[in-house]
Amino acid sequence: DAGITQSPRYKITETGRQVTLMCHQTWSHSYMFWYRQDLGHGLRLIYYSAAADITDKGEVPDGYVVSRSKTENFPLTLESATRSQTSVYFCASSRGQGAGYGYTFGSGTRLTVV
Amino acid sequence: GENVEQHPSTLSVQEGDSAVIKCTYSDSASNYFPWYKQELGKGPQLIIDIRSNVGEKKDQRIAVTLNKTAKHFSLHITETQPEDSAVYFCAASIGGSGGSNYKLTFGKGTLLTVNP
Repeated sequence: DAGITQSPRYKITETGRQVTLMCHQTWSHSYMFWYRQDLGHGLRLIYYSAAADITDKGEVPDGYVVSRSKTENFPLTLESATRSQTSVYFCASSRGQGAGYGYTFGSGTRLTVV
Repeated sequence: GENVEQHPSTLSVQEGDSAVIKCTYSDSASNYFPWYKQELGKGPQLIIDIRSNVGEKKDQRIAVTLNKTAKHFSLHITETQPEDSAVYFCAASIGGSGGSNYKLTFGKGTLLTVNP
């Protein structure tokens, strides 16, 4: 099915472990984004990508790593998970540059770090 | 960078009443303003957007207004229904060539509750 999918939907991990959240889109959108959503903070941008092999930091990038070897995939890795990274993570994609191109969001991954 | 403030953080209305959510932005170069609705357990979904060359846009029961001089924009929902209950986010971005003009800056969200 066409769309943007995130996996897993739920994940529990221990402090210090590495964990990777997956994001896959079928539209060949150039732009992809990772946000985290926390109560009282809304949606905060972690990393974004304008195309394959082009990534850049957002508002809260510390402790996260991304890669984009293929246009359709944009995985987010927590190198050494901390409790403060407990959050709901959303991936999004956008087809264009400039005003007028909204995002399409995935369904999210709820990550708990214990 | 851009900063988007959203008010109120929570809003409770009776079914059939109108609801208004307001946002202000800081960067006068911003020219694209989408609104997203997030239902429980789901990702945000685009419901309406407006560009800076338009003052108002309507889509059935929802409308968005933009005041560029004051740098604020608002979401209006008329004849509210229980299924309108959700978190609503406003956002702003700078369109045009070059730079990170595809990045949206979001407000912190408004929890709208429509009571039957």
